[in-house]
Amino acid sequence: ELKVEQNPLFLSMQEGKNYTIYCNYSTTSDRLYWYRQDPGKSLESLFVLLSNGAVKQEGRLMASLDTKARLSTLHITAAVHDLSATYFCAVKGDGTASKLTFGTGTRLQVTL
Amino acid sequence: NAGVTQTPKFRILKIGQSMTLQCTQDMNHNYMYWYRQDPGMGLKLIYYSVGAGITDKGEVPNGYNVSRSTTEDFPLRLELAAPSQTSVYFCASTQLIFQETQYFGPGTRLLVL
Repeated sequence: ELKVEQNPLFLSMQEGKNYTIYCNYSTTSDRLYWYRQDPGKSLESLFVLLSNGAVKQEGRLMASLDTKARLSTLHITAAVHDLSATYFCAVKGDGTASKLTFGTGTRLQVTL
Repeated sequence: NAGVTQTPKFRILKIGQSMTLQCTQDMNHNYMYWYRQDPGMGLKLIYYSVGAGITDKGEVPNGYNVSRSTTEDFPLRLELAAPSQTSVYFCASTQLIFQETQYFGPGTRLLVL
């Protein structure tokens, strides 16, 4: 059974600081996703990582994937308040239905 | 394109009542999914469908039923509502092309009292 763990669960950081969110998963997979969720809102796709060593960047967020370690990271550079949200990683399971298993999420709070 | 739409946005049910959560997508996606999100938690898969007429159970299917008569619609049925079904329900869809990103609807907040 595929398990996905994120840490930390909650992260309070000051504007301008850097930090990393970690996502570990238990079985091999060929796709890993990062989503953002604002309070009371739906999920917005941020990144799709398809292969070992993949790195994607958008603004102050950079995601990477190490399939051998079964680890993905979401790095935040010089955080701003607008990045405050909950971030989820999700891993595609085996089989053909593209089912996803989600981590429990990391609630990021960026303070002034 | 509206993407994935869900109705209602919010509903209060009494224990034992039934209801159907509606989900429609206009992207011609074959694959559709229902998730539930409990407070402070990630999403758990309830049911999914790989095409019209084909559905299968996910991780937490008990207490729910689905049908898929068209490509566009994937309703979720709660037969005998229980307090444990209080949650936010998200519908999602994707096409098995390249990235297979799932696109999510706005969610239905359900409270069972």
